[in-house]
Amino acid sequence: SQQGEEDPQALSIQEGENATMNCSYKTSINNLQWYRQNSGRGLVHLILIRSNEREKHSGRLRVTLDTSKKSSSLLITASRAADTASYFCATDWAQGGSEKLVFGKGTKLTVNP
Amino acid sequence: KAGVTQTPRYLIKTRGQQVTLSCSPISGHRSVSWYQQTPGQGLQFLFEYFSETQRNKGNFPGRFSGRQFSNSRSEMNVSTLELGDSALYLCASSSWAGVAKNIQYFGAGTRLSVL
Repeated sequence: SQQGEEDPQALSIQEGENATMNCSYKTSINNLQWYRQNSGRGLVHLILIRSNEREKHSGRLRVTLDTSKKSSSLLITASRAADTASYFCATDWAQGGSEKLVFGKGTKLTVNP
Repeated sequence: KAGVTQTPRYLIKTRGQQVTLSCSPISGHRSVSWYQQTPGQGLQFLFEYFSETQRNKGNFPGRFSGRQFSNSRSEMNVSTLELGDSALYLCASSSWAGVAKNIQYFGAGTRLSVL
């Protein structure tokens, strides 16, 4: 299975602190995406990083990708209570003409006011 | 621009019944994908449709099927429901074909409970 694994499974921090989540995967990828999900709702795309990129920024988000270690990290700086959500990494998987997006189990982030 | 719309939002069914879920993609998006989310298995890919054709399929039994209409709206059907089918079913749309290459825009989901 190529399923990504996020680490930690749960993270609780205070408002204003930084939050770092990690994702590891098993096989080579073309791109990796991060999504956020508020409780019981749909996912919202945060950022896509391609295999030839090492770092990408979007507002308070910073994503790094290390293809040699098959891992990625998502850093949220100066967190806010509204950042409370589950965060998922998703990798592309292709085999025999078929492809799909494979999600990890997610990191549940709680930002306390 | 309206987002991805899924109906109904909540559904309660009993074992053995069948269910149809609906998804209207973002206007102009031609790719629609379906996912099942459960606490135990997480988010799992069901299938992707593009221009009314199924392009990709996940590892789900044949009880799970879908279709896409000429206006890109999609339906997903589950027949002979089992307790394990209780889940949040998410639909996502994208401009282009290729579920793994492109940003997916998700709907709020349909929460299915099988009793």
